[in-house]
Amino acid sequence: ELKVEQNPLFLSMQEGKNYTIYCNYSTTSDRLYWYRQDPGKSLESLFVLLSNGAVKQEGRLMASLDTKARLSTLHITAAVHDLSATYFCAVDTSSNDYKLSFGAGTTVTVRA
Amino acid sequence: DTEVTQTPKHLVMGMTNKKSLKCEQHMGHRAMYWYKQKAKKPPELMFVYSYEKLSINESVPSRFSPECPNSSLLNLHLHALQPEDSALYLCASSLLFGDTQYFGPGTRLTVL
Repeated sequence: ELKVEQNPLFLSMQEGKNYTIYCNYSTTSDRLYWYRQDPGKSLESLFVLLSNGAVKQEGRLMASLDTKARLSTLHITAAVHDLSATYFCAVDTSSNDYKLSFGAGTTVTVRA
Repeated sequence: DTEVTQTPKHLVMGMTNKKSLKCEQHMGHRAMYWYKQKAKKPPELMFVYSYEKLSINESVPSRFSPECPNSSLLNLHLHALQPEDSALYLCASSLLFGDTQYFGPGTRLTVL
């Protein structure tokens, strides 16, 4: 069974500091996704990571993937208030039947 | 046009009603998705259409019936729903299956 664990579940950030969200998963994956969701809103895709060692960056967010460790990280550089949201990682696999599993989400609050 | 539209935005229905949710995109995407999201939970994938064919059905009850009449449209027909089906229903599309997804604003469904 494909399980995805995110930590921390809640993260209070101070503006200007750096933080990391971790996403661990239990079986071989095809793709790893990161999404952002503002309260009461829809999802926004951030990154799709395909291969070991993949690194993608957009603004203050950088995601990386280590398929051997079954770990992805979302690194936030110099946090700003606009980054307050819930961040989800998700992993899919087609090793048996197709399965897409989401982590529980990390709720980020950035304070001055 | 980089937008996915969903109608209606809100829907209240009784358990004996039949209703439909509609999703539309004009980005030339060939994969379209339905997700269900309960409050404070991660999304759950329901269905995936690829090239207008149902390719993934995540064991969703038959009271949910998807339809993809053409490459731009995706419908979700609802019949005899239960109160526990109340949720945010999200539609997404991607160029091909597994690519970056673009999400619609969602339909907030309440079943009485």
